[in-house]
Amino acid sequence: SSVLIQPPSVSVAPGQTATIACGGNNSGSRSVHWYRLRPGQAPVLAVHDQSARPSGSPERLSVSHSGNTATLTISRVEAGDEADYYCQVWDESSDHPVFGGGTKLTVL
Amino acid sequence: EQLVESGGGLVQRGESLTLSCSASGVTFSGHWMHWVRQVPGKGLEWVSRINSIATYTSYMDSVRGRFTISRDNAKNTLYLQMNSLRDEDTAVYHCVRERDLKFDSWGQGTQVTVSS
Repeated sequence: SSVLIQPPSVSVAPGQTATIACGGNNSGSRSVHWYRLRPGQAPVLAVHDQSARPSGSPERLSVSHSGNTATLTISRVEAGDEADYYCQVWDESSDHPVFGGGTKLTVL
Repeated sequence: EQLVESGGGLVQRGESLTLSCSASGVTFSGHWMHWVRQVPGKGLEWVSRINSIATYTSYMDSVRGRFTISRDNAKNTLYLQMNSLRDEDTAVYHCVRERDLKFDSWGQGTQVTVSS
């Protein structure tokens, strides 16, 4: 089944750009979805289907793809972006969803 | 619009617990529903899913045979019956709505702690 690899942590200063990679077998070509988890809050869908953003998700979030890696980019990082971010794909062989290990974004 | 879980708590190893998820303002019927857990130090882990009319269910390997997912569309409620609980089942359990193989609505979660 699919395995998605994310860096455990990313740190960035306010106003800078944060990038979070999600690599794995074919994660670059299948639909990849991204979720934001803040402590004490319900997780939210941040970016879906490669690069679409739900209403309420800031335009500063974008996704790019190269080979087997999808990368979430957060431009002009703000303190409110501090959270855990998870990528997710649907594994066709097992017919269930698979999540990456999650990346803790720290805003310095 | 929200999904609200309840029923979590502290239990002994081997005991049972039933989680509930109530949908308020969130379209429930017509959607696949899932339970996803957040394991300390391990991140998100898919647990189980059920189709919109409760005729199909599936489970992650480690809970198959111990957990049972069900739903009552008339009550807009999702359930997870958990038996023979193990230490590794300790997590925050989220009720999640699926749309087109992604999760567009999540509950805040309910804590389940299994103690030996």
